[in-house]
Amino acid sequence: GAVVSQHPSRVICKSGTSVKIECRSLDFQATTMFWYRQFPKKSLMLMATSNEGSKATYEQGVEKDKFLINHASLTLSTLTVTSAHPEDSSFYICSARGGFGRNTEAFFGQGTRLTVV
Amino acid sequence: DAKTTQPPSMDCAEGRAANLPCNHSTISGNEYVYWYRQIHSQGPQYIIHGLKNNETNEMASLIITEDRKSSTLILPHATLRDTAVYYCIVRGQGGSEKLVFGKGMKLTVNP
Repeated sequence: GAVVSQHPSRVICKSGTSVKIECRSLDFQATTMFWYRQFPKKSLMLMATSNEGSKATYEQGVEKDKFLINHASLTLSTLTVTSAHPEDSSFYICSARGGFGRNTEAFFGQGTRLTVV
Repeated sequence: DAKTTQPPSMDCAEGRAANLPCNHSTISGNEYVYWYRQIHSQGPQYIIHGLKNNETNEMASLIITEDRKSSTLILPHATLRDTAVYYCIVRGQGGSEKLVFGKGMKLTVNP
């Protein structure tokens, strides 16, 4: 399958600072990217959907000013957690889908473990 | 909200076939059935997807009932590395259609 790379895989930051997570599609052009978060022993929760060159669409309850998403190119999307607090500690996962086919599958990055201290 | 239901867990003996069920009784005509799995602390891995015909690839087979209200993912020869949480997801057509994850099913392959 296609390769989606996330960076960093693990980050620890101080409370009040901002953290940027990158998601890259390495061998295909990702027209749509999705960002998820996952708490321990829980399922993935969709945070937002972004299409290249457009503003992201956030799911209900997700603060768009806190979780800034940029999808400026067909191979890169970034998620910035602004003014991070300990409750933002979580596993963040991106997903990328290419093409405009009706049944194209999405591929996932390896995830980023964020710990806010 | 997830549109599928799966049993919370299942055990399987190594080398045997693992049959993972999924109910999606409210699926609509243009929605696909997708299967992903997640090994601990990794991103989900795509397995297979289908609309109404049975599908097979190098990882698994997907059997969809004629009324499309349920499906079964078959891992023909389970190995210890197949131990993971398996997610059955119904998704509409279109590139921006979301993948909404339910609780999934934990498959444990025992030696």
